[in-house]
Amino acid sequence: GESVGLHLPTLSVQEGDNSIINCAYSNSASDYFIWYKQESGKGPQFIIDIRSNMDKRQGQRVTVLLNKTVKHLSLQIAATQPGDSAVYFCAENSGGSNYKLTFGKGTLLTVNP
Amino acid sequence: DSGVTQTPKHLITATGQRVTLRCSPRSGDLSVYWYQQSLDQGLQFLIQYYNGEERAKGNILERFSAQQFPDLHSELNLSSLELGDSALYFCASSHGQGIQLGGKAFFGQGTRLTVV
Repeated sequence: GESVGLHLPTLSVQEGDNSIINCAYSNSASDYFIWYKQESGKGPQFIIDIRSNMDKRQGQRVTVLLNKTVKHLSLQIAATQPGDSAVYFCAENSGGSNYKLTFGKGTLLTVNP
Repeated sequence: DSGVTQTPKHLITATGQRVTLRCSPRSGDLSVYWYQQSLDQGLQFLIQYYNGEERAKGNILERFSAQQFPDLHSELNLSSLELGDSALYFCASSHGQGIQLGGKAFFGQGTRLTVV
């Protein structure tokens, strides 16, 4: 069956360092991926997306890498700030008439000042 | 602010009761998605509506139902509530029919349901 993501791990970094959050997916039919950030008490917030015809996409301070060979996705956050502290989810969609986003369990990022 | 509005923010009710959660999508968005977030299951897709019609169903229990009204707001009805239904319920909206066709889905702040 479909499954995305890992058991909820925790990543702790120092302010100013780069962060890398990883995600594994198992549905090889998935061709669209999104990273969401969820702060305590708030809904998931879109960060960046990537389609399967790309292997890298950059946003503001964030980069998503997609390795379809090993079904792995990563989110890199440059110069991590305390405001980046949150749970980060990867989500997948297999396109076409599939309207469902399948979410991983998330990674808790803690940024130490 | 995502532009998606959910009410109420918090809801406490007893087992066996019925509640209605409300969602107003972003202006111009035609699709509404409902998700349940619990500690042990993570974010689970429940159901999607597009322009008033049901488009996709996920892990939604038979005790749960939803609808989307002509003004595009949506309601999620949860009945015969059980302790295990305690969770955060999120609504998301997007412009088009699907996640990819319609672009990114934006989430509301959620309704925290506590069943006691």
